[in-house]
Amino acid sequence: EAGVVQSPRYKIIEKKQPVAFWCNPISGHNTLYWYLQNLGQGPELLIRYENEEAVDDSQLPKDRFSAERLKGVDSTLKIQPAELGDSAVYLCASSRSLGTGNNEQFFGPGTRLTVL
Amino acid sequence: AQSVTQPDIHITVSEGASLELRCNYSYGATPYLFWYVQSPGQGLQLLLKYFSGDTLVQGIKGFEAEFKRSQSSFNLRKPSVHWSDAAEYFCAVGARNTDKLIFGTGTRLQVFP
Repeated sequence: EAGVVQSPRYKIIEKKQPVAFWCNPISGHNTLYWYLQNLGQGPELLIRYENEEAVDDSQLPKDRFSAERLKGVDSTLKIQPAELGDSAVYLCASSRSLGTGNNEQFFGPGTRLTVL
Repeated sequence: AQSVTQPDIHITVSEGASLELRCNYSYGATPYLFWYVQSPGQGLQLLLKYFSGDTLVQGIKGFEAEFKRSQSSFNLRKPSVHWSDAAEYFCAVGARNTDKLIFGTGTRLQVFP
């Protein structure tokens, strides 16, 4: 079974530029998560999808961040414009949603973003 | 609100020594608890999880963790550490009516030969 796929693995951009990250979850996983991981910190949830619906985006900075999961499979996270403070690792995870919390989330390798 | 505290930022052990990584949580009811491991440049891999039942949970790679409700703790243990265990370890708590996880800040484990 293929794992969660993310691309690119690394991205270096200048501030004020746009950037996009792509995630392909494990086949059959209807729940998809985007996390932000700052250096020396644990992952923090940005947005959670159940199929096509964003069910929790309370931590997503909506002035510059956007996400979509149009067909309930792949997802894209975008930042426009990027700021220096956005330098971090962006992790994607997926799970079979049970809605009860006792599910295992499978993580991709992440995209390391550096904003200069 | 849920929260997780990992008091040790960095731990160094010798290969073959025993290991215990601490995790304390805050949650109003019995939580779901997880330990994940992250190797450099990799995503997080689940080591073990506690949902209910036996409070001593066995995981992969020889790890175990014990849920202690009275101490609000879920410490991770391994009797004999291998050099390949060097990584970052994250404890996480999940609520029983949502798929949202709250992660601790992590403990970096360094293993000396």
